[in-house]
Amino acid sequence: AQSVTQLDSQVPVFEEAPVELRCNYSSSVSVYLFWYVQYPNQGLQLLLKYLSGSTLVKGINGFEAEFNKSQTSFHLRKPSVHISDTAEYFCAVSDSLSGGSNYKLTFGKGTLLTVNP
Amino acid sequence: GAGVSQSPRYKVAKRGQDVALRCDPISGHVSLFWYQQALGQGPEFLTYFQNEAQLDKSGLPSDRFFAERPEGSVSTLKIQRTQQEDSAVYLCASSLLAGTGELFFGEGSRLTVL
Repeated sequence: AQSVTQLDSQVPVFEEAPVELRCNYSSSVSVYLFWYVQYPNQGLQLLLKYLSGSTLVKGINGFEAEFNKSQTSFHLRKPSVHISDTAEYFCAVSDSLSGGSNYKLTFGKGTLLTVNP
Repeated sequence: GAGVSQSPRYKVAKRGQDVALRCDPISGHVSLFWYQQALGQGPEFLTYFQNEAQLDKSGLPSDRFFAERPEGSVSTLKIQRTQQEDSAVYLCASSLLAGTGELFFGEGSRLTVL
């Protein structure tokens, strides 16, 4: 079984400032890692994912995340945020075992990013 | 349609009533998932279909919850004898393949049980 901890429930920042949303996970097996974003009144959409290979993953809208296996973290970063980045961000994990339950995502509780002018 | 469509978007039920929530996935998507999102929480897995086969229903909270996808396309999540603790947003997602986490979510059905 896996679990995900998003350390900050709310992160307020000013426009054009950098931001980091933190995510830590626990798992007894190798994992896949994901960040999903939910804009107001919309469904969740995939921002980026780590399956294998380079630990630095780039996603849509200028976001990136780095997989750190030793620290069991997958923090999301953006060097300069816009008002339109205001949304709820969810970190998620699944096991990476073929034939296992790798279809099942375990989500964190979410971090509400509010970008102020 | 272009995306995952869920209906109704909002449902208010009296305790004890039965409800049915519908999900119309993206055409051609083999995999379909239901998640439950309580207020202030992340989505929690309920069940998974591959075509019409329900391969995992381990997340369904009780035997009052039932899901089906009889023709491998549209799915219905049914909750019998609703309780207040069933109040949540029910999210449907579909994907072309399972196991890569590229889920396409609908906007959800918000259920309020009074």
